[in-house]
Amino acid sequence: AQTVTQSQPEMSVQEAETVTLSCTYDTSESDYYLFWYKQPPSRQMILVIRQEAYKQQNATENRFSVNFQKAAKSFSLKISDSQLGDAAMYFCAYRSPLGGANSKLTFGKGITLSVRP
Amino acid sequence: NAGVTQTPKFQVLKTGQSMTLQCAQDMNHEYMSWYRQDPGMGLRLIHYSVGAGITDQGEVPNGYNVSRSTTEDFPLRLLSAAPSQTSVYFCASSNLAGPETQYFGPGTRLLVL
Repeated sequence: AQTVTQSQPEMSVQEAETVTLSCTYDTSESDYYLFWYKQPPSRQMILVIRQEAYKQQNATENRFSVNFQKAAKSFSLKISDSQLGDAAMYFCAYRSPLGGANSKLTFGKGITLSVRP
Repeated sequence: NAGVTQTPKFQVLKTGQSMTLQCAQDMNHEYMSWYRQDPGMGLRLIHYSVGAGITDQGEVPNGYNVSRSTTEDFPLRLLSAAPSQTSVYFCASSNLAGPETQYFGPGTRLLVL
């Protein structure tokens, strides 16, 4: 079974600075998908970024980028030029490539990010 | 754009009562699932479905039932609510294969007294 670990429960960043959120995972599969979801106080789960393991290039979405280290099974999220609206809980998640009944997401416990003005 | 909808948004139950959490999606997704979110636990899978008439258990299925009579709807039933079922419940849907994003509903906050 796959596991996802987010070892930092809380982090804080100054507005306009850069912050990196850590995530590690364990799997025996060679191909898979990784996601970062954002959950603001509204509780809505919002997809931030996703990475396909067979792609060597790190995914980027505007101010959000990942550092995907497949051998180390590490998938960190970098937020550049942090904004007050980035304050939220962030979840790292894993999805098997097998599809069908294996389409579930396995989540880490989440990290609460606060942004200081 | 309705996406994934959930009702109710908030519910208070007494121990032993039953209720159904509703979930519907309008994206013709085959895969639908229910998660519960508890502090410090992330989201854990309760039940899932890969199509109409097909359901299966996830990580924490005890105390919950599901059915999938149509592609669009995937209700979650609590037969006899317990305080341990106090949580926030999310419904999600996606296509079955590939790096498909799972789309989440807005959540239902349930308090069992």
